[in-house]
Amino acid sequence: AQKITQTQPGMFVQEKEAVTLDCTYDTSDPSYGLFWYKQPSSGEMIFLIYQGSYDQQNATEGRYSLNFQKARKSANLVISASQLGDSAMYFCAMREGHIDYKLSFGAGTTVTVRA
Amino acid sequence: NAGVTQTPKFQVLKTGQSMTLQCAQDMNHEYMSWYRQDPGMGLRLIHYSVGAGITDQGEVPNGYNVSRSTTEDFPLRLLSAAPSQTSVYFCASSYGGTGEDTEAFFGQGTRLTVV
Repeated sequence: AQKITQTQPGMFVQEKEAVTLDCTYDTSDPSYGLFWYKQPSSGEMIFLIYQGSYDQQNATEGRYSLNFQKARKSANLVISASQLGDSAMYFCAMREGHIDYKLSFGAGTTVTVRA
Repeated sequence: NAGVTQTPKFQVLKTGQSMTLQCAQDMNHEYMSWYRQDPGMGLRLIHYSVGAGITDQGEVPNGYNVSRSTTEDFPLRLLSAAPSQTSVYFCASSYGGTGEDTEAFFGQGTRLTVV
């Protein structure tokens, strides 16, 4: 079974608007971590934000925030005030337990920001 | 501050040839992993290592070999290249401690084409 599901292959967003990228996950481990990475057209993987399963508050990092709904097993990424440089592929990933070397990735969502 | 360095960045192989993708990190991370990225499938784990001398298989290990003689280096060997191994390969490292928020650091990737 797919551990990470990203249902939006591609999205368009107007500059300065907010965009929400969906991510649902599947695990029976009570301890897990959820990550979002950005992959621009240059190809590198850039870490954006992390949410632990026991964290009480939703994670935020600058313009990035994570809408963590544990009961629904969803960890949606919200990018506020989109910029042209936000155009990229975005991946949701999960670590189960403390196994940092094993990340399960979703298929990714391509975001295109329009001027 | 090099982080994770992969070489080469691009490679074209003929079917049946062998080669080694190099990966080195200078962050003294215990955990290192190799992933392959294919369109529509996100990143999938090939092999991983939890320390020098210790390696194990990930989700898609067939056709690949690894070793870890030092903390810094984690090369990936293609034994007999096949067109199905055409992909983008990423090496990653992480702290591997007991912290909950240790993200994986990725190399720049190697784009491999097997003809």
